[in-house]
This record gives sequence, structure tokens and C-alpha cells, in this order.
Amino acid sequence: EAQVTQNPRYLITVTGKKLTVTCSQNMNHEYMSWYRQDPGLGLRQIYYSMNVEVTDKGDVPEGYKVSRKEKRNFPLILESPSPNQTSLYFCASRRPLVGGNEQFFGPGTRLTVL
Amino acid sequence: QQQVKQSPQSLIVQKGGISIINCAYENTAFDYFPWYQQFPGKGPALLIAIRPDVSEKKEGRFTISFNKSAKQFSLHIMDSQPGDSATYFCAGGAGGTSYGKLTFGQGTILTVHP
Repeated sequence: EAQVTQNPRYLITVTGKKLTVTCSQNMNHEYMSWYRQDPGLGLRQIYYSMNVEVTDKGDVPEGYKVSRKEKRNFPLILESPSPNQTSLYFCASRRPLVGGNEQFFGPGTRLTVL
Repeated sequence: QQQVKQSPQSLIVQKGGISIINCAYENTAFDYFPWYQQFPGKGPALLIAIRPDVSEKKEGRFTISFNKSAKQFSLHIMDSQPGDSATYFCAGGAGGTSYGKLTFGQGTILTVHP
């Protein structure tokens, strides 16, 4: 089954404790992206990656890091989480642009930073 | 800044009624306008999308109306059903140097009463 998976689905942590949210896709997509969803703000892009070893900032990159060492994986790293990073996070992947713009989203990771 | 403004924030409709959600965009480089549907506990999924070379696209009970001169587009759900209850996001996307990035609206929570 074609899908985007994320782990963990739920995470409660404390300020300053480094964490990683994993994302993996099995559709051989080149483009991957991370979003955060907050009430009243919709989905905002954090980082994106056009291909292996190619990443760039989205609209709200502060406090986040990413890496893209393999095509299928795109982890999101919070080196020193703060309470304002409490949010619902989604990973997404997309076919090459010429094939359409549809993005496929993972199930989400709900993060709480105390 | 919010380049895509979506309204209303929430909408309650009776079964069989018409649900209408509106979006306005600022970026004239957008050439792809999708609507995503999100059920509780799930990631967003593409519902329907339109390109600016047409003014309307219909898929079953779902219709996008697009007004390029006004930079507005809307989603109409005919014969709304309780199963349509979800959060809906509009978005604008641009190719070229934007690499197909999607900019999302704030979201609309739709509730359809039986």
C-alpha cells in the first residue's frame, strides 16, 4: 500500500530535550515536506526537500532541522524543543511536478512540549 | 503573511444542504488550486483541484468555482452528508522556482447534522 508513515504518533516531552520525528514514504517520491498544523493558522510548511541531500527552509523553520540521506526518509529534528512547538505535525510527499501537484500526507504526530 | 485566506472558520449545515467554503489568494503566480479534506486523527487528503484555465470543475457532489480576476475560488458541496463532516483546507500552488509548494488557508471545520 502506497503510504507516508510517521513515528511516533503522539509524544509528550519537556523543554530542551532533543527529539526526532521520523517520516518514511514508499512511493519513490523525490519531494518531501514537513508541515505544522495549528488552530486558525492552517498548515504551514517547516522544511522541504527536493531530493536526497537537498533541503530548504519553508515558512516557519525556526527551531527545526531536517536531513535527507535516503530518498524514502525525511526526519524532523527538534534539538531544543520549546512549548511554542506544541503542535500537530505532518509529513508529506509528492510525485515529480510534471506528474501533478498532489501531496500525500502522513497520519500526523501530535507533539506536546511541557 | 497569510497568502491564502479562507472563510468561514466553521460551518454547520443540515443534511441535504449546500456547503460553501470560500478562499482568496494574493499570489498571482499560483497555477494550481487544490482542496484537501481532513478527518479527525488523519492527515489531509486531496479532494479536488483546479487549474486557472477553467472556471469550474465538478466531481460528484463537489464543485470548485474559480474567479481568476477576483483571485477567489470556492468549494461547493451539494447534498451535504454527515460523512462530509471534516476540516477542509484550500491551497494555492506554483511551479517554477516555487517547486510546486502549497500555501494553505486556515481551514474550515464543517459539521453536517443528520
